[in-house]
Amino acid sequence: EIVLTQSPGTLSLSPGERATLSCRASQSVSSSYLAWYQQKPGQAPRLLIYGASSRATGIPDRFSGSGSGTDFTLTISRLEPEDFAVYYCQQYGSSFSWTFGQGTKVEIK
Amino acid sequence: EVQLVESGGVVVQPGGSLRLSCAASGFTFDDYTMHWVRQAPGKGLEWVSLISWDGGSTYYADSVKGRFTISRDNSKNSLYLQMNSLRTEDTALYYCAKENYGDGSFDYWGQGTLVTVSS
Repeated sequence: EIVLTQSPGTLSLSPGERATLSCRASQSVSSSYLAWYQQKPGQAPRLLIYGASSRATGIPDRFSGSGSGTDFTLTISRLEPEDFAVYYCQQYGSSFSWTFGQGTKVEIK
Repeated sequence: EVQLVESGGVVVQPGGSLRLSCAASGFTFDDYTMHWVRQAPGKGLEWVSLISWDGGSTYYADSVKGRFTISRDNSKNSLYLQMNSLRTEDTALYYCAKENYGDGSFDYWGQGTLVTVSS
């Protein structure tokens, strides 16, 4: 099973700042099968990025994804108040297994 | 508008059984693979199970294999999760999720139904 490790655990930033979130896989992941989600308290996760770098429908362009192999990054170019949330990366691997990272909380500094 | 609405979550004793349902609308249900994902209180996300568009293929996380059974009724646009031999560690909010065609991501989620396993 591929293990995804997200860092940092918590990111304390101010509105308007740039956020860079990391997701590292224990073995190579196909870029086609790496996604990012945002989850706010009391809400279901929301798909932000699929295929490592493609924005989902309705996602603002301040969100971008990059990376390949074992290292992937979610960047929020300028944090808006509504962006403070928990972010998860997720991969789909062979043998029909899906795994999530443990999450990064982006909090207001 | 795509909607996924879960139901069936309750408090159940260890060793008990439960069936969750997910009613889907706003898309052609029998075109898509569907999943169950769970989230223990205050914890992260854990994939549980998937079922192919026609119900012909099912897969499970090791943590639930042999105890949970996923199924679907395309005539009713509904997804199910039969949960047997429940353990305290199965306590979680259970989400049904629609798979984004072909890439393994989940583009729509329900709001979840809470299962509590406790004596």
